[in-house]
Amino acid sequence: GENVEQHPSTLSVQEGDSAVIKCTYSDSASNYFPWYKQELGKRPQLIIDIRSNVGEKKDQRIAVTLNKTAKHFSLHITETQPEDSAVYFCAASIVTGNQFYFGTGTSLTVIP
Amino acid sequence: KAGVTQTPRYLIKTRGQQVTLSCSPISGHRSVSWYQQTPGQGLQFLFEYFSETQRNKGNFPGRFSGRQFSNSRSEMNVSTLELGDSALYLCASSLFRAINTGELFFGEGSRLTVL
Repeated sequence: GENVEQHPSTLSVQEGDSAVIKCTYSDSASNYFPWYKQELGKRPQLIIDIRSNVGEKKDQRIAVTLNKTAKHFSLHITETQPEDSAVYFCAASIVTGNQFYFGTGTSLTVIP
Repeated sequence: KAGVTQTPRYLIKTRGQQVTLSCSPISGHRSVSWYQQTPGQGLQFLFEYFSETQRNKGNFPGRFSGRQFSNSRSEMNVSTLELGDSALYLCASSLFRAINTGELFFGEGSRLTVL
């Protein structure tokens, strides 16, 4: 089955700096890659996703890039703010299926 | 529109007991999946139901089972509980049809502690 690895497990940045979280996947059939944000004590929520026919997607301060050849994708957060502090999970799935494989999460702390 | 509702939110059991967790999806969502969340392991897929049929199953022992009712509500059951089953169990619903529409809507989870 699919195996998703996520790095780093913890990340601290100064407010205003950028944060980058990287994930790799193993199954070349995976073609849908969402990112979820989980604030402390709350449920995970989708923040951005990308499909394999696209190399990059942006939504305000958040962007995701995908390299299908290397089987890795990354989350980029620019101009970080304290409210970006949370655990971020990457995931991989097949568009025609509904089984998601999640990474182990990255705990991001934005220092004011 | 009401979100995904999970009950109970917290429960404590002892080894060897069994537990049943319930999940009510967002109205209109027919796909319900379950995930186990533990520190350091992230979210691990348990199973997914669509129209009362289990379509996908993760790599968990047979002690973990589930079902879905005609109203899309779902239950999962864990029998013969072990200490390692202590975790947050998250239910997620989605508008999945033939093509994955993408977003999983998670409930707040049921936190199970096994003593």
